[in-house]
Amino acid sequence: GQQLNQSPQSMFIQEGEDVSMNCTSSSIFNTWLWYKQDPGEGPVLLIALYKAGELTSNGRLTAQFGITRKDSFLNISASIPSDVGIYFCAGDLSGGYNKLIFGAGTRLAVHP
Amino acid sequence: NAGVTQTPKFRILKIGQSMTLQCTQDMNHNYMYWYRQDPGMGLKLIYYSVGAGITDKGEVPNGYNVSRSTTEDFPLRLELAAPSQTSVYFCASSWTSRPTDTQYFGPGTRLTVL
Repeated sequence: GQQLNQSPQSMFIQEGEDVSMNCTSSSIFNTWLWYKQDPGEGPVLLIALYKAGELTSNGRLTAQFGITRKDSFLNISASIPSDVGIYFCAGDLSGGYNKLIFGAGTRLAVHP
Repeated sequence: NAGVTQTPKFRILKIGQSMTLQCTQDMNHNYMYWYRQDPGMGLKLIYYSVGAGITDKGEVPNGYNVSRSTTEDFPLRLELAAPSQTSVYFCASSWTSRPTDTQYFGPGTRLTVL
C-alpha cells in the first residue's frame, strides 16, 4: 500500500529551540494535513495545505506543501513545554478522508 | 458541545471475548470513521460511514463490524478478540469526506487482548 515516511521519529529539544520535521512519499498528494496528538488524547488538526508550494502558519507553527507534491514539512519556532506530543502528517490522494494516509508520527519532547 | 466521545477509555479482553466500542458525536456530521493506532505506525482506517444506514470497509476491516443506525452513533464491534487487535482505537467525524472540512477525533479507547 501507499506509504508516508515521516522523520525524525523522535526529538528531544530544549525550550526555545526551533523544530523541523517532514514527510515524504513516492506518491503525489492533493492535500497535506498536520495533526498533533497530546498524551491520552486524539489527534487535533493543526494545519491543512491544499496547493503545491503553499506556505501556511498557525501561530508558531509553519507548514509547507512541497513543490513536487510528494513532501511536506512542519516547523515549530521557539518551542515551549506544551508543544510536547506526537505530530502526524497525513496525505490525501484525492480520495478524501476515507483514503487518507498517515505518517508514523514524530514524538517531540521539550526540556524546560 | 462535547464533540466526539468514546467509551470505554481502557479495556482488557481475553482471547475470544467480544466487546463493543462506543462512539457518539453531537455535531450532526454525516461522516464517521474508526481508526486503529499501533505503536510506531500511522493511523489505519477500519470502517467508515457516510450517513445513517451506510457503512463501508476501510484498509483493515477484518475482525471488526460496525453499524450506523443514527447520525450520532457509530459503534465498533469485535466478535472474537485476538492479540493482534491490541491497539488504540479512535473514532472521528466530519461534515463531508473532503479534507477542506475538519475531521474531529475522539480521545481514544486503549484495548489490550491477552
